[in-house]
Amino acid sequence: GENVEQHPSTLSVQEGDSAVIKCTYSDSASNYFPWYKQELGKRPQLIIDIRSNVGEKKDQRIAVTLNKTAKHFSLHITETQPEDSAVYFCAASSSGYALNFGKGTSLLVTP
Amino acid sequence: DVKVTQSSRYLVKRTGEKVFLECVQDMDHENMFWYRQDPGLGLRLIYFSYDVKMKEKGDIPEGYSVSREKKERFSLILESASTNQTSMYLCASSFGGRDEQYFGPGTRLTVT
Repeated sequence: GENVEQHPSTLSVQEGDSAVIKCTYSDSASNYFPWYKQELGKRPQLIIDIRSNVGEKKDQRIAVTLNKTAKHFSLHITETQPEDSAVYFCAASSSGYALNFGKGTSLLVTP
Repeated sequence: DVKVTQSSRYLVKRTGEKVFLECVQDMDHENMFWYRQDPGLGLRLIYFSYDVKMKEKGDIPEGYSVSREKKERFSLILESASTNQTSMYLCASSFGGRDEQYFGPGTRLTVT
């Protein structure tokens, strides 16, 4: 089955800096790559996703890039703010139903 | 606005008890999922269902079963609870396989 590796497990940045979280996947048939944000004590929520027919997608301060040849994708957050502090999960889908999640990255943005 | 609800936020059960966790969604979603979340292990899929009465095993189905008798409701059953099933359980639903999954608030289950 699909295996998703996520790095780093923890990330601390200063407010205003950029943050990058990287994921790799194993199944070359995977074609859907969402990112979820989970604030402390809350449920995960989708923040951005990308499908395999595009290489990059942006939404304001967040962007995701996909390299299908290398089987990796990354989340980029620019101009970080304290409210960006959360756990971020990447995921990949090859089956068309289920998502395989990475283990998460705990991002701390310090003022 | 999609709403996914779970029957309990906190639950304490004894070893060997049969435990039912229920999830209800109100958006007529086809797909429903059960995950467990443990520190450092992320979200691991237990079971999912893509239609009424249909179920598929996820990555960690051992010790669990599920039931989906109605489209809006997906139940997770621990036949005989064990201490290693102490965890946060999250339910989710989605319209299609490559659509956003909407999560419930979670049930923190403690098995003593």
